[in-house]
This record gives sequence, structure tokens and C-alpha cells, in this order.
Amino acid sequence: DAKTTQPTSMDCAEGRAANLPCNHSTISGNEYVYWYRQIHSQGPQYIIHGLKNNETNEMASLIITEDRKSSTLILPHATLRDTAVYYCIVRGIMEYGNKLVFGAGTILRVKS
Amino acid sequence: DAGVIQSPRHEVTEMGQEVTLRCKPISGHDYLFWYRQTMMRGLELLIYFNNNVPIDDSGMPEDRFSAKMPNASFSTLKIQPSEPRDSAVYFCASSLGQGFSGYTFGSGTRLTVV
Repeated sequence: DAKTTQPTSMDCAEGRAANLPCNHSTISGNEYVYWYRQIHSQGPQYIIHGLKNNETNEMASLIITEDRKSSTLILPHATLRDTAVYYCIVRGIMEYGNKLVFGAGTILRVKS
Repeated sequence: DAGVIQSPRHEVTEMGQEVTLRCKPISGHDYLFWYRQTMMRGLELLIYFNNNVPIDDSGMPEDRFSAKMPNASFSTLKIQPSEPRDSAVYFCASSLGQGFSGYTFGSGTRLTVV
């Protein structure tokens, strides 16, 4: 069962912020929101994850709504190298053997 | 750190032949995952290991597929006999613990079965 809903594709101008939305209305209390991306011909790359507080690292920021039913990944200054498929994944952490399951993701195209 | 290393990068084989894909995880990582990616089905988890022991192989498509992890630094995914529908990119990933701080993926092996 799909736990997340993402737009199929988005465009962003180089140097501008890229805001990638994700809906996860059925998220439960022990489930985290993870973001990965996959640049063409490469393996997926971990970006960031969070539970309910906003998170920031050197790659991106993750904003989670107060009801946790949706989130937004923000790339503050998108470059052409950020063109990739971005996956939003909901994953529980309490059960042993919980797996990382990828959906279709959002194709982000950064244009000059 | 060299990351997760997969070999070969590309493999072309004839239908019916045996294919072996190889993976070297990051040193110290105790979980190893094999994924397959196709246009039709996206990224699918095939099997994963914890401390060299297979934990969940429910994603392995059929008996033609087998995976082993003889030690902490090496794993193989074997297809015998191979079929054209096995053509895909196969990724190996490793993590420390259950990967709650992220998995590290290799660059993948692109398999073409003709």
C-alpha cells in the first residue's frame, strides 16, 4: 500500500528554492519521514529524515506539518546537479525488520 | 571510505546463462540490502541480511534468484538460469543498524539478458 503521495514531476529555476511536497495522511506516531534522491544512472542517496520537528542539514531542509500529514523538502538554492528523482518514504522505526520501500517519487528538473 | 562497491557495472549475458552480481558493503555496516530497479516496477527490495544472515527474502522473484553473504565484506546475487525479464539495474546498499540514519547505495549493476 502506498503510504505517500508525491507529484509526478516539478520544474525549478536554477538558483531558486525547490520545494517538493509529500502527503502522508495515514502516518502513525512511530513513523519517520525520509527523503532520498536518485540522480540519473546512480544509486539512491539519503538526504534527510524527521519525525515531527523541522530538520536541516547541509543538503536540505525538511518541514513537517504539525499534524504530520504532509511534509516539504526544501533545496534552498537548486543547481542543475539537483536534477533527480526525489523519493518521500514513511518508515516505522520500532519494529525489527522494517524495510525501506520506494514509491514512484517526483522528478525534479532544474533548469537554467 | 570507498562506499558500497558493486561489480560488474554492466553485464550482458545470453538467456539461460548464470549471472553473478557482487557487492562489498561499507566496513562496519551490519545490514546489507539487494534492490532491483526497472521502469515498470521501480525500486524493489529483493532480500536483506543482518550480520551475514538472510532476514527477509520475500522480494526474491523466484527460485532462479539466490543471494549469499559468506562474510561481512562480501555478498553475491546469483540468477540461474537468467531470462530477458531479469534485465534491470541491481543495487546493493548497506547500513549501520537498521539504517534509520540512511542507507548507502552502490552505483548498481546494469544487467541485460538477451
